[in-house]
Amino acid sequence: LAKITQPISMDSYEGQEVNITCSHNNIATNDYITWYQQFPSQGPRFIIQGYKTKVTNEVASLFIPADRKSSTLSLPRVSLSDTAVYYCLVGERGGATNKLIFGTGTLLAVQP
Amino acid sequence: NAGVTQTPKFQVLKTGQSMTLQCAQDMNHEYMSWYRQDPGMGLRLIHYSVGAGITDQGEVPNGYNVSRSTTEDFPLRLLSAAPSQTSVYFCASSYRRGNQPQHFGDGTRLSIL
Repeated sequence: LAKITQPISMDSYEGQEVNITCSHNNIATNDYITWYQQFPSQGPRFIIQGYKTKVTNEVASLFIPADRKSSTLSLPRVSLSDTAVYYCLVGERGGATNKLIFGTGTLLAVQP
Repeated sequence: NAGVTQTPKFQVLKTGQSMTLQCAQDMNHEYMSWYRQDPGMGLRLIHYSVGAGITDQGEVPNGYNVSRSTTEDFPLRLLSAAPSQTSVYFCASSYRRGNQPQHFGDGTRLSIL
């Protein structure tokens, strides 16, 4: 199974827009891309999910190019409370069943 | 509205002991799964279930057994614990397989000596 890669860490300031990318070259054709936020000592929390093009909800946007081999989570105006680890999750092609694989995670540090 | 509940929150075992990690959800979700999270390794899928009576292996299934006798419960069993199974374990659920996990429990921190 190919590794699903993300930048290890990113730094930002309050009020800025943050874009976190995820590379998934072997994504299954029929599976979604999902992003999660995780705080220390807690389980991941669902942020947004999409299949192609652009999806937007009240907290984030998700951009997916036509080849679906990458995706970008966009947080419009971050605050200190957005400091967390962010993971993408995709289904990878392989055998009879697609395997759900998490990305390596990106630690976002937001400063005042 | 409990969501996904995992018990216990912490556990210390000796090598060779067995135990069951419990997971329950009250949202009538069909899809449930177990992940382990290790430093530098991210979250890895152990086993999953698409409905009562149906289970399948994930990325790292060796050393673990699961069963799904009801929609609500999805226990994870370690038959003979090994130090390599020291990890944080998360249970997750979603309405159906096409929707990737929507709700995670708060985890079980397991140490095996």
